[in-house]
Amino acid sequence: QKEVEQDPGPLSVPEGAIVSLNCTYSNSAFQYFMWYRQYSRKGPELLMYTYSSGNKEDGRFTAQVDKSSKYISLFIRDSQPSDSATYLCAMSETGGSYIPTFGRGTSLIVHP
Amino acid sequence: KAGVTQTPRYLIKTRGQQVTLSCSPISGHRSVSWYQQTPGQGLQFLFEYFSETQRNKGNFPGRFSGRQFSNSRSEMNVSTLELGDSALYLCASTNPGQGSGYTFGSGTRLTVV
Repeated sequence: QKEVEQDPGPLSVPEGAIVSLNCTYSNSAFQYFMWYRQYSRKGPELLMYTYSSGNKEDGRFTAQVDKSSKYISLFIRDSQPSDSATYLCAMSETGGSYIPTFGRGTSLIVHP
Repeated sequence: KAGVTQTPRYLIKTRGQQVTLSCSPISGHRSVSWYQQTPGQGLQFLFEYFSETQRNKGNFPGRFSGRQFSNSRSEMNVSTLELGDSALYLCASTNPGQGSGYTFGSGTRLTVV
């Protein structure tokens, strides 16, 4: 079992839909949680960054962390075709190696 | 502010050859990490350099090596290339600290034939 599990998709939704992307993890030492977006032929770019449990909102994006369930989510409201990309979750420990462990990424397609 | 720059963008090499990839981090970032990205394995951590020293290392064979220069620029080298080394190699820089987000370059697409 990988430390971080993420459904590769693809996830196809119509424009305007609410998108839910998720990751589960097994390492209870993870304290920092990140979401990256990667467009084709580009490197990943940091979208959201949260510490420990709770919610964080940034525009149309909301990141949720449930440490008790070892489950994190990224919600995209009013999805746009420009949101079509691969979304990778990443997480790192505190007090130990801070090198993040990445999920394999979920491919999202938002069609007009 | 310039981003992370990786050169070259594309490379085609033959099995058994060796290759060197280059990464220039964001100005002021002293930590540089390298990742290998493949469809089957996703992003896998190769190594991290800070102040010219390898600080962390992933689970890759010794054919994969790297170094960092005094200006924080980094290179990675792969010797005796194998077909399975075909991948997107990504460099990321950060200011060290717990959970600091990485800034990635656009990567070098290496194809081994």
